[in-house]
Amino acid sequence: GAGVSQTPSNKVTEKGKYVELRCDPISGHTALYWYRQSLGQGPEFLIYFQGTGAADDSGLPNDRFFAVRPEGSVSTLKIQRTERGDSAVYLCASSRTGGLQETQYFGPGTRLLVL
Amino acid sequence: QQQVKQSPQSLIVQKGGISIINCAYENTAFDYFPWYQQFPGKGPALLIAIRPDVSEKKEGRFTISFNKSAKQFSLHIMDSQPGDSATYFCAASYHAGNTPLVFGKGTRLSVIA
Repeated sequence: GAGVSQTPSNKVTEKGKYVELRCDPISGHTALYWYRQSLGQGPEFLIYFQGTGAADDSGLPNDRFFAVRPEGSVSTLKIQRTERGDSAVYLCASSRTGGLQETQYFGPGTRLLVL
Repeated sequence: QQQVKQSPQSLIVQKGGISIINCAYENTAFDYFPWYQQFPGKGPALLIAIRPDVSEKKEGRFTISFNKSAKQFSLHIMDSQPGDSATYFCAASYHAGNTPLVFGKGTRLSVIA
């Protein structure tokens, strides 16, 4: 079946603008994760959803970042008043239930560049 | 605070050789240790994973060695091939399962013919 998909694949915006990044998880996966990967670094956790609710948002860097998953499937990561330091690849991953040692399947990421 | 430290940052190996990447962790609550492989422009993909109740796990040419007392684990790629050229990340998570993965900084592997 289809894997995790993310749109857009690339996004260029200007400092101060608002952006939305979309993630379509694998069908039937209830757990969804957002990570951010800066150049030359490993992915860093942002937020985890179990169904429609954010079970852990401890990785969100500040209140400019917000994510939703209203129907328990597609998720949108929203960034307000973007800053140049927000430039990174934003990765989404999903797993079947979020249970013990389940594989997290990653999408290809959205490359965000803030000018 | 970097919870998972990975080395080397980059590695060049001759085709047919053994690639070895090392990771060390600090938090003894970690009990799941996966390795991910990432090609340029793609998301990370699970390669192999281990739990701390075993010292070694082998899948094809890929082996994880785990040293619980030293809080270290490593990935060995036997008979390395040019197609193995990618960035490799070690990671760790807690037993609760729904906790996020904590990644190392990655190792860029180049296998040359």
